[in-house]
Amino acid sequence: GAGVSQSPSNKVTEKGKDVELRCDPISGHTALYWYRQSLGQGLEFLIYFQGNSAPDKSGLPSDRFSAERTGGSVSTLTIQRTQQEDSAVYLCASSWGPSGRVADTQYFGPGTRLTVL
Amino acid sequence: AQSVTQLGSHVSVSEGALVLLRCNYSSSVPPYLFWYVQYPNQGLQLLLKYTSAATLVKGINGFEAEFKKSETSFHLTKPSAHMSDAAEYFCAVSFPITGGGNKLTFGTGTQLKVEL
Repeated sequence: GAGVSQSPSNKVTEKGKDVELRCDPISGHTALYWYRQSLGQGLEFLIYFQGNSAPDKSGLPSDRFSAERTGGSVSTLTIQRTQQEDSAVYLCASSWGPSGRVADTQYFGPGTRLTVL
Repeated sequence: AQSVTQLGSHVSVSEGALVLLRCNYSSSVPPYLFWYVQYPNQGLQLLLKYTSAATLVKGINGFEAEFKKSETSFHLTKPSAHMSDAAEYFCAVSFPITGGGNKLTFGTGTQLKVEL
C-alpha cells in the first residue's frame, strides 16, 4: 500500500518568506508526527497529532512554527518569516493506534528538504 | 530523561564482513528501542524494534540486535555485509508523551560504508 508522502520534496526560499510543508500519512493512521533533521541538531521531534488535535507541541522551536491537521489525515507544517537556521530536512511520520502506544512503529515519509537563502 | 548514544559516526567494513553498530541507552524505565536505516535522500525505514518480548530481535535484510540490560546496550549486527547495506543507521528510544503518543529520541547516527 501507499506509504507516507510529503510535498514538496525540495523547497528553496528566501529569508523572511513563509513556507508550507505537506504530509499525507498512511491511510487509517491516527497518529502523526513531525521531525526535523539538521546537521547541527540531528533528528528532533517537533509536534505530535492524534486525530486533528496536537496534544504535544513541545518540540516546536519558536512561535514562527505552527502545524495543523485536517480530517484526521493531511497535515501542514507552516514556518513563518523563515530564517537560515530553519534549513533542514523535515520528516513526517505516522503510526497506527487510536490511543497511541509506546511501542508503535512510526513510518516515515521521504522528507522535505528546506533551504533558506 | 531517556537518550541513546551511538558510538562511531562512521564505520567501514569489507563486503562479507561482520557489521557491528553500537548503541547504548539511558532510561529510567524499561525502554522501547528501535533501529532505523536511512538511504540517501530517503526517509527512515524501520529495521527492527525491541518491545521486551525477546532480547534477541531479528529484523529485515538480515540484521538483528540484542538487548542487554546489564550493559544498557542494543547493538545492531549483520553476519555478512553487502554493498547495498551502505547507509546511515539510527538508534532510537521511544517514550510516551502527552496525548497518548510516543516520541522517538534518536542517536546521532552511524554512517556505514561497505568496501569491496
